[in-house]
Amino acid sequence: GAVVSQHPSRVICKSGTSVKIECRSLDFQATTMFWYRQFPKQSLMLMATSNEGSKATYEQGVEKDKFLINHASLTLSTLTVTSAHPEDSSFYICSAREAFSAKGGRSTDTQYFGPGTRLTVL
Amino acid sequence: LAKTTQPISMDSYEGQEVNITCSHNNIATNDYITWYQQFPSQGPRFIIQGYKTKVTNEVASLFIPADRKSSTLSLPRVSLSDTAVYYCLVGASTKIQGAQKLVFGQGTRLTINP
Repeated sequence: GAVVSQHPSRVICKSGTSVKIECRSLDFQATTMFWYRQFPKQSLMLMATSNEGSKATYEQGVEKDKFLINHASLTLSTLTVTSAHPEDSSFYICSAREAFSAKGGRSTDTQYFGPGTRLTVL
Repeated sequence: LAKTTQPISMDSYEGQEVNITCSHNNIATNDYITWYQQFPSQGPRFIIQGYKTKVTNEVASLFIPADRKSSTLSLPRVSLSDTAVYYCLVGASTKIQGAQKLVFGQGTRLTINP
C-alpha cells in the first residue's frame, strides 16, 4: 500500500513552454501533498504544500505564479512549471500524506514519495 | 521544526551491520522520527518510523533513547544494493494541526563495498 505515482517520469521541453507534472496517490486519499525540487548532489527542497480544495502554500522564494499547483481531488495534485527556463531543470518529487492514529490515541502521519520527474529545459 | 544532524557519509562492507545516528536535540513532544532511503534519480522510500525505544520491521531497526534527542537507524547485513542516501527527519501532525511539512537535511551517503 501507500503508493504514489508521478507522470511523466521524464520530460524535455523548449525554453518558454509550460510543463505539467501529475502526482497521484494510488491506494489512499491524501488531503495534503507536497512538492519538492532536488538539484544534483543536493537534498530535497520543499517548494509548496498542496491542500485539497484550497490554495497551495508556497515556501519562501518559490514563485507561485511560475509554479502553479492544483489539488482538485483527494488523489491528484498537479504542478505546472510555466514559461520554463533552463534554470528550472531539476528533479521534481511529490509526496502524499497518509494519516493514521497510533496506539495511545496519538495521531501521526507518514509521507510517501513519488518516483520523481526529471525536467530538462533546453 | 526540529533540525537534524547526520554524518555526511559512511562506508561499510557487504554483510556488516550499519548504524547511522541522527541528532535532533530540539525534538518536540509530538514529533515522530522517520527515516527515508533515496537512490539516484528516485524519490525517497520510507524505511521506518518511531516515537521511542525500539522499532523493528523487515528491513531495519530504529533505536531511540529515552531523551529522544538522537536516533540510530540499524541496517542488518547490508548488501551492495543498500548504497544510497539516508535521511532522518522529525515531524508530526495532530488531527488539529494537520500535516506538518518535512524539512530534509543533507542526509548520509552510505557506500557499501564488496
